[in-house]
Amino acid sequence: GAGVSQTPSNKVTEKGKYVELRCDPISGHTALYWYRQSLGQGPEFLIYFQGTGAADDSGLPNDRFFAVRPEGSVSTLKIQRTERGDSAVYLCASSPHVGLRTFNEQFFGPGTRLTVL
Amino acid sequence: AQSVTQLDSHVSVSEGTPVLLRCNYSSSYSPSLFWYVQHPNKGLQLLLKYTSAATLVKGINGFEAEFKKSETSFHLTKPSAHMSDAAEYFCVVSEGYQLIWGAGTKLIIKP
Repeated sequence: GAGVSQTPSNKVTEKGKYVELRCDPISGHTALYWYRQSLGQGPEFLIYFQGTGAADDSGLPNDRFFAVRPEGSVSTLKIQRTERGDSAVYLCASSPHVGLRTFNEQFFGPGTRLTVL
Repeated sequence: AQSVTQLDSHVSVSEGTPVLLRCNYSSSYSPSLFWYVQHPNKGLQLLLKYTSAATLVKGINGFEAEFKKSETSFHLTKPSAHMSDAAEYFCVVSEGYQLIWGAGTKLIIKP
């Protein structure tokens, strides 16, 4: 079956511009996660959705970053007034469901490589 | 707070020789631990997971890892490396949905 997909695969933008990154999770997965991976680092948690609501957005670095998941499936990560430091690979993952003390495998998409010039 | 330390940023082995990727963690709970692999230009894939059952965990592609609570370690091993194993490997500790990632170890396979 189809895995997690992310579009675009690459995005080059200029400093100060607005960008949107899209994630299509696996069908039926209620949990969705966004991560950011800088060169030479492991992924860094940004935000977690359970259904339509953001259950934890503590990883968003500042108010330029925002994410939505209006119908509980596709999610969009939005970055305003981009800065060169935002350049990274943005990863999306989904999982069937999750409890506070249980782990559910997260299935990752291929990522979107964002370059801010 | 939970954290993960991968002791080697790069590991280079010859094809057919054993692989050892080292990982130490700190956690105030009984942790769930994982290894993910990331091939170039591909998504992250779960290799194996430890969730308080058997301490020796077998994963895909011949990899296994042993949970050692006394050493707070979760090292990844494979008896015989294959060229297709060349990739970045991440050790991960979790509490519920939160995944805490190590910085990664790049595995290089020499022919």
